[in-house]
Amino acid sequence: AQSVTQLDSQVPVFEEAPVELRCNYSSSVSVYLFWYVQYPNQGLQLLLKYLSGSTLVESINGFEAEFNKSQTSFHLRKPSVHISDTAEYFCAAGGYQKVTFGTGTKLQVIP
Amino acid sequence: ETGVTQSPTHLIKTRGQQVTLRCSSQSGHNTVSWYQQALGQGPQFIFQYYREEENGRGNFPPRFSGLQFPNYSSELNVNALELDDSALYLCASSLGDEQYFGPGTRLTVT
Repeated sequence: AQSVTQLDSQVPVFEEAPVELRCNYSSSVSVYLFWYVQYPNQGLQLLLKYLSGSTLVESINGFEAEFNKSQTSFHLRKPSVHISDTAEYFCAAGGYQKVTFGTGTKLQVIP
Repeated sequence: ETGVTQSPTHLIKTRGQQVTLRCSSQSGHNTVSWYQQALGQGPQFIFQYYREEENGRGNFPPRFSGLQFPNYSSELNVNALELDDSALYLCASSLGDEQYFGPGTRLTVT
């Protein structure tokens, strides 16, 4: 069985400031790890994923996440946020079949 | 290449009724998964279909059932609706490790 914990339900941050959204997972087997973003009244969009190889993965819009096996974490970071980053972010773990999601973190970027 | 589409966008049903939600997979994707996202929660896995066969199920009662058709489109059926079934229902199609989500169907049960 696997579980995903997102420690912060809401994170307010000023525009152009850095942000870190925390995610911890537990699993008895190797898993793939994902970050999804959900804008209001929309479905989920894949932001980035870790399957294997380099533990640092990046998205096209400046987010990055680092897989840390010893701490069972997959925190999402961005050095400078923009207003358009305001959304809910979900961490997820899984394989080809079932994907388990965390409860989400609402990122609020303050002008 | 079209993305994942779902219909209807919104739906209001009465407790005890039955509902069918539909999903068209992304072209070439042979796997579809359904998730329930209650307000303020993360998506919960309902089940997955691969080439028209159920390929895994989450912790949902049998009144949640599904179908996948030869063209890989899919349906989610829920019988005997309960108030707690009110949620956003998401389908996701995949051909490998990455799932592509549709915009969802918002179901309200009154």
